[in-house]
Amino acid sequence: QLVLTQSPSASASLGASVKLTCTLSSGHSSYAIAWHQQQPEKGPRYLMKLDSDGSHSKGDGIPDRFTGSSSGADRYLTISSLQSEDEADYYCQTWGTGIPVFGGGTKLTVL
Amino acid sequence: EVQLVESGGGLVQPGRSLRLSCAASGFTFDDYAMHWVRQAPGKGLEWVSGISWNSGSIGYADSVKGRFTISRDNAKNSLYLQMNNLRTEDTALYYCAKVLGVVVFLDAFNMWGQGTMVTVSS
Repeated sequence: QLVLTQSPSASASLGASVKLTCTLSSGHSSYAIAWHQQQPEKGPRYLMKLDSDGSHSKGDGIPDRFTGSSSGADRYLTISSLQSEDEADYYCQTWGTGIPVFGGGTKLTVL
Repeated sequence: EVQLVESGGGLVQPGRSLRLSCAASGFTFDDYAMHWVRQAPGKGLEWVSGISWNSGSIGYADSVKGRFTISRDNAKNSLYLQMNNLRTEDTALYYCAKVLGVVVFLDAFNMWGQGTMVTVSS
């Protein structure tokens, strides 16, 4: 069964960088994922599609501060020069087994 | 402007029905598969259902199979979700979402609506 695992919470200081992780369950380490941001009281916003080789394609208007990378079954979202508006929930999504699956989300707090 | 706008949510009693709509604009609607995703209060995202560009492929989450029906009208650039026999656990904000790739049924969701709230309560 395909499962995406995310840490429930993360925090970092204003202006600093943070790296969020999404881990694909065993046997699915080659799957691409997508990262989505959900700010408080708003709908999700597509950030990027991230392949297993680390290549990624970002959505329209997504700042260069948001980058993706991969290592084995782990997919990363790095946000640099953190701003207050980056405080949000971040979800990963995949679709490799025939149905879309979401991770549980990481709540990012900007200190 | 590229956007998805959901409507049709509301308060409904258990066992009753509701029909959600999603109006698409700013892109060639009939080139893309579309999906419904829901979010219960304070919870994460849960995929509900999806439909291919030509309605040839349709899928449902086990939690809604046999109760919900997805459809689309490409002439009206619209997506629908007919929800029957609603349960309290169906209470959620329902989003429609567009896939990234042309023609493919499954892909990253690269556009989301603002959501419509469905509350199932007696």
